[in-house]
Parts: sequence; C-alpha cells; structure tokens
Amino acid sequence: GAVVSQHPSWVICKSGTSVKIECRSLDFQATTMFWYRQFPKQSLMLMATSNEGSKATYEQGVEKDKFLINHASLTLSTLTVTSAHPEDSSFYICSARDKDGVGIYGYTFGSGTRLTVV
Amino acid sequence: AQSVTQLGSHVSVSEGALVLLRCNYSSSVPPYLFWYVQYPNQGLQLLLKYTSAATLVKGINGFEAEFKKSETSFHLTKPSAHMSDAAEYFCAVISRRGRLTGANNLFFGTGTRLTVIP
Repeated sequence: GAVVSQHPSWVICKSGTSVKIECRSLDFQATTMFWYRQFPKQSLMLMATSNEGSKATYEQGVEKDKFLINHASLTLSTLTVTSAHPEDSSFYICSARDKDGVGIYGYTFGSGTRLTVV
Repeated sequence: AQSVTQLGSHVSVSEGALVLLRCNYSSSVPPYLFWYVQYPNQGLQLLLKYTSAATLVKGINGFEAEFKKSETSFHLTKPSAHMSDAAEYFCAVISRRGRLTGANNLFFGTGTRLTVIP
C-alpha cells in the first residue's frame, strides 16, 4: 500500500532557529500534500495544502512566512518552521493524496514530527 | 459547512466488549467519510472509508461502520475490544470547501480516546 515517510520524527531546537520537516511519498506520486498541526489531546488542524510546482494554499490564521512549504517534486514536500518559538512546539503531520482504484482519493499520513522549541 | 461531530471524547470498554464510537456528519450532499486511528506519537492509519457504495463498510482490525443517511451517522463498531485497540480515533469528511476548490482536504472530528479495560 501507499507509504508516506516523514522525517525527522522528533526534533528539539533553540528558539530563533529554523527547522525543516520532510514528507516523502515512497511508492506513489502525490500531486497534493497536506500539512496538519496537532496540539496535545486535540484534533488535527489543517495548516496548508501544497500542490506540486505551485505555491501552497494556507489556511486562515497560518503565517505563510513562518511556515514555509515547498513541494518541488511529486514525491517530496517540506515544511520549514522559521525563527521557531516555544509556541510553535507541536506535533506536525503531513498527508499525501493519491487516487485509488474506486476513483476516490486516498489519504496517506506520515508518522508525524514532534517539534519542541526551547 | 460540511463537518463531523464525534460524541464522547473518551470511551472506556472492557476487553471483549462491544466498541461503539459515534460520528455524525452535517452535509447537504452525500459525503465521503473516513475513520482513522492514531497511536501515541504516530500518524494516522486508515481504518475504513465510505465512498457512496455499500452502506456497511468493513475495515481493518475487525472494525466496521454503517452509513445511515436518515440519522446522518457513520458510527464505528467492533464486536469485541482488544487491548491493542486502545488509541485515539478520528472521524473525517472531505470538507465542502475542499471539494468546491478541488483541494479535497479532510476535515477531522475532535477525536475519541478509546480505553480498553482488562
């Protein structure tokens, strides 16, 4: 089945530095990838939708200059948290969309990245 | 707006007992509905999905869900709970805005934490 690899699984960084999270679809081409943020004991909140070769579409309230998304190929999307602050500490999950046999898109999720900013 | 509501943020069942996790949707058009499971510090794994075909959908790990249009529900059930079923469960729908824009992003319910008592 479809597999999405997300790295790193956890990262600790100092306040003010930047962190890059990678999301790769290993065995299918993902024209669209989604980035979610999840706070403890809460649901997933969509941050942005990225389409290969074009600019990402950000949800209301998400700072595009802070959360840089690049989807340069059909198998790789990256999320860079720039000038990270403690309030950016969270669990970030990517999802890649592919088309399954019945014509409805399938959504495969990465294993998530736990970001802690100190 | 198209959304899902999960009743009960926390459900406890005894090992071997019936599992019932509730999900109701609000939609003016037949939705595509999904159930995902999340283990601690991990991504989401698809349990099953409804795509306007059979109303009773069978998924992995013995789970199934029934789409009931008259009740606008898509409850998740499992006849006999196992200790390994303890996790967070999310109901999701492709958001109406996502369908209109073509992004087809998932909108998640608030989640239900399942505890299995030995």
